[in-house]
Amino acid sequence: SQTIHQWPATLVQPVGSPLSLECTVEGTSNPNLYWYRQAAGRGLQLLFYSVGIGQISSEVPQNLSASRPQDRQFILSSKKLLLSDSGFYLCAWGRGSGYNEQFFGPGTRLTVL
Amino acid sequence: GDSVTQMEGPVTLSEEACLTINCTYTATGYPSLFWYVQYPGEGLQLLLKATKADDKGSNKGFEATYRKETTSFHLEKGSVQVSDSAVYFCALRESAGNKLTFGGGTRVLVKP
Repeated sequence: SQTIHQWPATLVQPVGSPLSLECTVEGTSNPNLYWYRQAAGRGLQLLFYSVGIGQISSEVPQNLSASRPQDRQFILSSKKLLLSDSGFYLCAWGRGSGYNEQFFGPGTRLTVL
Repeated sequence: GDSVTQMEGPVTLSEEACLTINCTYTATGYPSLFWYVQYPGEGLQLLLKATKADDKGSNKGFEATYRKETTSFHLEKGSVQVSDSAVYFCALRESAGNKLTFGGGTRVLVKP
């Protein structure tokens, strides 16, 4: 069976510090990978998605970036965090084009102070 | 573009009451439709899905029917429990796309 991991689970960072969140998937190959952000009490915002190694599509211009160095690894980064980067970050995986759903990780709660 | 509209919450209910969360969508093709549930502090879990018109998805006592004529996918449960307190998201995926389009989420609070 497939599992998706995210770490860290929680993170408190000062404004201006760098960020690296990691997501890994087990039990499947060549998945589509997604990063979402959920601000407090709000809906989901798709940040990035990837259909393969080194292929990143950005949905929202901002000070975040994503990378996919390995088939089942997806990393969300920032060089300098802003207060507005606080939120709940969710990674998800899905299969290729078609009618398939996405499967979500447990999330990372980021607080920028 | 595609969009999903669902009723704003919070929805507050007593235990054993009936729950309905409305969801309507706009899509260019014939999408698949999903309901996800998010318990406090957790990621999203797929609750149910339907891939074509008139399909009914069901799970854990929840049901939703894909209504193409009204472009709707309303979520229903006949008797809610306190453990059903969560945020519920309606979503769609076009057959040719790689992305899900989510509604804004509906918070449900069930009181004992």
